[in-house]
Amino acid sequence: DTGVSQDPRHKITKRGQNVTFRCDPISEHNRLYWYRQTLGQGPEFLTYFQNEAQLEKSRLLSDRFSAERPKGSFSTLEIQRTEQGDSAMYLCASSLNSAGVFFYEQYFGPGTRLTVT
Amino acid sequence: KQEVTQIPAALSVPEGENLVLNCSFTDSAIYNLQWFRQDPGKGLTSLLLIQSSQREQTSGRLNASLDKSSGRSTLYIAASQPGDSATYLCAVWTSGSRLTFGEGTQLTVNP
Repeated sequence: DTGVSQDPRHKITKRGQNVTFRCDPISEHNRLYWYRQTLGQGPEFLTYFQNEAQLEKSRLLSDRFSAERPKGSFSTLEIQRTEQGDSAMYLCASSLNSAGVFFYEQYFGPGTRLTVT
Repeated sequence: KQEVTQIPAALSVPEGENLVLNCSFTDSAIYNLQWFRQDPGKGLTSLLLIQSSQREQTSGRLNASLDKSSGRSTLYIAASQPGDSATYLCAVWTSGSRLTFGEGTQLTVNP
């Protein structure tokens, strides 16, 4: 297993366009997380999935953002009608949640850097 | 709402120095604390994870301590090397499944 992968690594788009990012977690990891990181800041939580169910969403996740994990494996994050303020690094992480184990370490991917012009 | 603060924001040291990075958090009811390393334009690499019942963790030249009651953690790096240059992020897990991150300390180790 090569770890969490994200595609694309870089995306430049014009304001108003829609973009979609993909995250492939470590195989058999049942939890998948999305974070956003702006320049000079720490990552901020956006949402997470347990298998295919989206269990928590941050207030940062506006109506223009939608995330899916249709088969409980890879996930997509779509941003509609992009704005310049959406420019950031979008990070994906995964973890294995086992019964009886309270904490499960999150493993991060390399991120997708979005630039909205 | 949990808030995480890291001091200093940036640090420049000569090679070979021992150094300490600081992290503080406002809600002491944490489940665990994690230190990450981030190289420019890259994702996060986990360095050390301290569970709430633990006081410290060690990995090679790195040692992280946790004082839950005072809301503080330190990351100690011994005998720093130029390859240690990166941004170091502290994150805590309090509720749900989200990690709350600090803004990071940008470390430069000069040869």
